[in-house]
Amino acid sequence: AQSVTQLDSHVSVSEGTPVLLRCNYSSSYSPSLFWYVQHPNKGLQLLLKYTSAATLVKGINGFEAEFKKSETSFHLTKPSAHMSDAAEYFCVVSEISGTSYDKVIFGPGTSLSVIP
Amino acid sequence: ETGVTQTPRHLVMGMTNKKSLKCEQHLGHNAMYWYKQSAKKPLELMFVYSLEERVENNSVPSRFSPECPNSSHLFLHLHTLQPEDSALYLCASSHTTGRRGYTFGSGTRLTVV
Repeated sequence: AQSVTQLDSHVSVSEGTPVLLRCNYSSSYSPSLFWYVQHPNKGLQLLLKYTSAATLVKGINGFEAEFKKSETSFHLTKPSAHMSDAAEYFCVVSEISGTSYDKVIFGPGTSLSVIP
Repeated sequence: ETGVTQTPRHLVMGMTNKKSLKCEQHLGHNAMYWYKQSAKKPLELMFVYSLEERVENNSVPSRFSPECPNSSHLFLHLHTLQPEDSALYLCASSHTTGRRGYTFGSGTRLTVV
């Protein structure tokens, strides 16, 4: 069965310092993994995705994530936080379900605050 | 704009009203979704349409009624809602596999009074 755990419900960093948002997953098959960002009163925007190609995935706005199968992790990182990065971040796993669409599970989200 | 447009952006309705939320995409996607996002709760999948056919209901109360007239449009018809239905309602679309990710609209902020 699929599940997604985001280990921190809230992360606070200073502007210019690195960001680490942690995600662990369980999946019965080879999953696709995603990170989405949601700014206040907005929809979710796709940051990056892993779909069984390179394990280090680069996304928009300087974010990266590394797929580590042995650790079942897909942590999101950014070398230097910007004020505009303050938002809610969702880790998502998708796997083939045998139906006409893939089964998708959203993590509970991590709220990122950036301190000036 | 993400390519998925939701209207209205904000809606206030009484418990006896009937209203509809609209979602439109022209990305060539053939799967569309309604999600409910409440404060302090995980994102809840409400309905899935794949190739214009509803494939998952997810035990949503009957006061929510979806409609997908074609692959570009999705509606959520609302009637006799409760205050606990107040939430952000998000529409998303994808290719049927979903493995390339979803594209979300900006949502409709619904308040039931």
